[in-house]
Amino acid sequence: RKEVEQDPGPFNVPEGATVAFNCTYSNSASQSFFWYRQDCRKEPKLLMSVYSSGNEDGRFTAQLNRASQYISLLIRDSKLSDSATYLCVVNLRNTGNQFYFGTGTSLTVIP
Amino acid sequence: NAGVTQTPKFRILKIGQSMTLQCAQDMNHNYMYWYRQDPGMGLKLIYYSVGAGITDKGEVPNGYNVSRSTTEDFPLRLELAAPSQTSVYFCASTGPYTGELFFGEGSRLTVL
Repeated sequence: RKEVEQDPGPFNVPEGATVAFNCTYSNSASQSFFWYRQDCRKEPKLLMSVYSSGNEDGRFTAQLNRASQYISLLIRDSKLSDSATYLCVVNLRNTGNQFYFGTGTSLTVIP
Repeated sequence: NAGVTQTPKFRILKIGQSMTLQCAQDMNHNYMYWYRQDPGMGLKLIYYSVGAGITDKGEVPNGYNVSRSTTEDFPLRLELAAPSQTSVYFCASTGPYTGELFFGEGSRLTVL
């Protein structure tokens, strides 16, 4: 079973739309959670950490449900510049501080 | 502010050749990682290091070797290159409390 599973998409949405990505993780000992953004042929970059209480950064909202081992990312008022692949990442500090990546969800925002 | 630096950015190898991908970070991070990413796939961990002198295997270590003689450097060695090693390789690092992984720009390797 994969450590982290994501719907690969692709998601094609019009500008201004709201889109949600989901992710599940298999190891209940996972301690930290993140969403990374990866543009085509570039390195991943941190979009936001995900906290149990939920957190928001502008148009982006992340939620964590530890009981269901489920992470989500909501993007409101989508912009053309949001087109990218979004990677769900889980960290287990008790295994050498390893980070496990989902396969990514592709988003294209259409004018 | 260099961050994580990887070289080379591009390389073409013939089957059976060997090479080393270099990775250096200037943030005094103790944790360093090598990932590979195949087209349309997520990142898979090859090797990681929790500090100088300490390395361990990740999910896909076969065909690779690493060393960590200093905090700054974490080279990845490919011995006897095979077409299955055609991929994009990312080096990353993090500190003990930051939680954020900092990536190099990637090294695109083709084995023909």
